[in-house]
Amino acid sequence: EPEVTQTPSHQVTQMGQEVILRCVPISNHLYFYWYRQILGQKVEFLVSFYNNEISEKSEIFDDQFSVERPDGSNFTLKIRSTKLEDSAMYFCASSVQGTSGETQYFGPGTRLLVL
Amino acid sequence: TQLLEQSPQFLSIQEGENLTVYCNSSSVFSSLQWYRQEPGEGPVLLVTVVTGGEVKKLKRLTFQFGDARKDSSLHITAAQPGDTGLYLCAGIRPQNSGNTPLVFGKGTRLSVIA
Repeated sequence: EPEVTQTPSHQVTQMGQEVILRCVPISNHLYFYWYRQILGQKVEFLVSFYNNEISEKSEIFDDQFSVERPDGSNFTLKIRSTKLEDSAMYFCASSVQGTSGETQYFGPGTRLLVL
Repeated sequence: TQLLEQSPQFLSIQEGENLTVYCNSSSVFSSLQWYRQEPGEGPVLLVTVVTGGEVKKLKRLTFQFGDARKDSSLHITAAQPGDTGLYLCAGIRPQNSGNTPLVFGKGTRLSVIA
């Protein structure tokens, strides 16, 4: 069964460093998302992406964040200068279409720890 | 910002018991999805409910979407230790454009004791 994959599974970085989190969405999906979950808190939407453009972003997704689809398969989230409060699980998700009721399939997540 | 309130936050029951967890909001959602999340893993979709009043069954799990599409419930019959986990509800806001992000509740952490 097709699934969303994410790499790395864990990332430890120093405050101020840049990190790139990678995702491979399900191959026929057109809509991509990043969510994050700080330990003990709820899953929060960061950004959605379609047709090589950001469709919607939350207030969390500030200028330190960027997304890119560098090739036909990868979807990346870059944090330019990490802060301690960026420590969280980051989940990538994808869906065939972006309509209401459309299932979003989640990857296993990348656990980011900023020291 | 629409909020999804889940209750109870924690639930510990004996194997074989029935339970219901709730997901409530003051806002209307186009659809609600229920996920189960294991520690250190991503949410895994259980079901999507779209129509007000809709009931879906998945083995011993019964999901219901409220008539007004503001709330949902998950009922588990004869719970088993394998049902232990974090149950998340997530809603999609009514929106004309695509890429509708999910709004998540905080989840109900269920523990089923053998």
